[in-house]
Amino acid sequence: DVQMTQSPSSLSVSVGDTVTINCRASEDIANYVLWHRQRPGNGNVPEVLIYGASTLESGVSSRFGGRGSGTDFTLTISSLQPEDVGTYYCQKYGSGPWTFGQGTRVEI
Amino acid sequence: DVELVESGGSRVKPGESLRLSCAASGFTFSSYLINWVRQSPGKGLEWVSSISGTGSSINYADSVKGRFTISRDNGKKSVQLQMDSLRVDDTAVYYCLTPPVFTGYAMGVHWGRGTLVTVSS
Repeated sequence: DVQMTQSPSSLSVSVGDTVTINCRASEDIANYVLWHRQRPGNGNVPEVLIYGASTLESGVSSRFGGRGSGTDFTLTISSLQPEDVGTYYCQKYGSGPWTFGQGTRVEI
Repeated sequence: DVELVESGGSRVKPGESLRLSCAASGFTFSSYLINWVRQSPGKGLEWVSSISGTGSSINYADSVKGRFTISRDNGKKSVQLQMDSLRVDDTAVYYCLTPPVFTGYAMGVHWGRGTLVTVSS
């Protein structure tokens, strides 16, 4: 099964910073990557930010961007805002198990 | 709009069984795979199981293989998760998750709001 290794596990940043979260797949998964976020203010229900590694989900701020293909993927949050505090996960989708990364906690 | 509504969560004792259901609306249900994902208290998201649109392809996480069974009823637009031999470490909020689905005017990935399963003696 494909393993997803996410880094870093946590980040402490300031409002206005640019944040980069990395995710590495154990084998080539083309662009079959989702990025999710969990925020305490949303009852901890996960929200999808990006699918297809780089396509922004409808309604998601353009401050979020995804890149990558094959085995290496990144999520970038530009000009971080207080409402961006939460935990971010990458996930492999498509055929087989839909493995999650370990998560990255972003705090201010 | 796409909606996923999970139900069936409750408090049970170790070794008991529980059946969860995920009711879907707003997209061509039979065309899409559906996943169950869980999150134990204080832990990360864990993929549990998936079933293809026709039900012919099924996958399970190693942690639930042999104890959980996923199924679907395309006529009722629902997916079930039969959970047997429940253990304390199965305690979690269980969510439904779709792949990118096309609703006729938009594409998107969707989560339900979850149902809580507590396994405790």
